[in-house]
Amino acid sequence: TQLLEQSPQFLSIQEGENLTVYCNSSSVFSSLQWYRQEPGEGPVLLVTVVTGGEVKKLKRLTFQFGDARKDSSLHITAAQPGDTGLYLCAGAALYNQGGKLIFGQGTELSVKP
Amino acid sequence: DTEVTQTPKHLVMGMTNKKSLKCEQHMGHRAMYWYKQKAKKPPELMFVYSYEKLSINESVPSRFSPECPNSSLLNLHLHALQPEDSALYLCASSQKGAGGYGYTFGSGTRLTVV
Repeated sequence: TQLLEQSPQFLSIQEGENLTVYCNSSSVFSSLQWYRQEPGEGPVLLVTVVTGGEVKKLKRLTFQFGDARKDSSLHITAAQPGDTGLYLCAGAALYNQGGKLIFGQGTELSVKP
Repeated sequence: DTEVTQTPKHLVMGMTNKKSLKCEQHMGHRAMYWYKQKAKKPPELMFVYSYEKLSINESVPSRFSPECPNSSLLNLHLHALQPEDSALYLCASSQKGAGGYGYTFGSGTRLTVV
């Protein structure tokens, strides 16, 4: 069974601080995605990383896929209250299992003004 | 159109009721999913439809019955639910049955069973 361990589970910071969220696994994934979810809404896809060592930037968010495609990180620079939400990493199995994604446990981020 | 539309947004039902959740997408995605999500937890996969055929059932109780009438529509029929089934039910779609392309989620149906 493939698992994704996401940390930290909760993060409360002040506006302007930097933070990093980690997703780790002992398994290799064909790709890894990051989603952000606000209360009462569905998750919204932020990025998909596919290649080992890949780095993608989305404004103040930087996503990295580990060289071995077993781990990923999300770094937010100068966090703002609008970044508040539940961040989820999700991995696609190396051998496609009908489109099934493995989700991490999520990181609840609160950015205080 | 890059959205997944779910109706209703909120639903309150008794344990003896029968109701249906609906999901629609017009992105040409050939895989559609039902997920159940409890507060502050990750989504839990229930069903996967690939090319309108049920490909994965994650041992979901029979009181949940999925249906895929065509490539754009996905229904979830509910009957004799329990209070512990109260949750946010999310529909999602992806290209060609490959989750690696990323899902597009709907906004969900907030279900309360009384």
